[in-house]
Amino acid sequence: DAKTTQPPSMDCAEGRAANLPCNHSTISGNEYVYWYRQIHSQGPQYIIHGLKNNETNEMASLIITEDRKSSTLILPHATLRDTAVYYCIVRVPPFGNEKLTFGTGTRLTIIP
Amino acid sequence: NAGVTQTPKFQVLKTGQSMTLQCAQDMNHEYMSWYRQDPGMGLRLIHYSVGAGITDQGEVPNGYNVSRSTTEDFPLRLLSAAPSQTSVYFCASSYSWVTGGRTGELFFGEGSRLTVL
Repeated sequence: DAKTTQPPSMDCAEGRAANLPCNHSTISGNEYVYWYRQIHSQGPQYIIHGLKNNETNEMASLIITEDRKSSTLILPHATLRDTAVYYCIVRVPPFGNEKLTFGTGTRLTIIP
Repeated sequence: NAGVTQTPKFQVLKTGQSMTLQCAQDMNHEYMSWYRQDPGMGLRLIHYSVGAGITDQGEVPNGYNVSRSTTEDFPLRLLSAAPSQTSVYFCASSYSWVTGGRTGELFFGEGSRLTVL
């Protein structure tokens, strides 16, 4: 599976859009990009995923570049509750036939 | 649906003791896995399973055993606890295919905090 690279930390002002980048330059054509977040010591929570097209749900938007080598998670109006560690991972179906690991992610701090 | 249930939530062991962390899911997921998370670090994969009767090692399997006799359950056994195994343990599960509206997302339990003295 492709490896991902994320900045270790970011700050964002409350109410502004938080843009979290992820580099996955070795991604293959059938690998999906998934984003998770972990608040305090809770179990990671799924946010969004995509293959080629940009995706949006009630939590966030995912922008994947045309060459699929990088993506950006966008939290449109960040709140204090969005302070968390955000993980970007890639997975290829059938899921489970891989040693899926999470890196250290990006620690996002929302500033009042 | 209860999702992914882990027990116990907290456990203190003495060096050399053995114990089992339980994980159960009620979503009929094929894939289940165990991770450990140490302070300031990401999640590291211990063992995983792609179905009943099938298990494989992750990146940090030493000192741990698993079995998958049913689709629902995936217990993690610590054979002889060591202080280095003090950590928070997460169990996760997912479908194996992104079909039929399934997202393939991993569902995580709330974690089991283990301290080995």
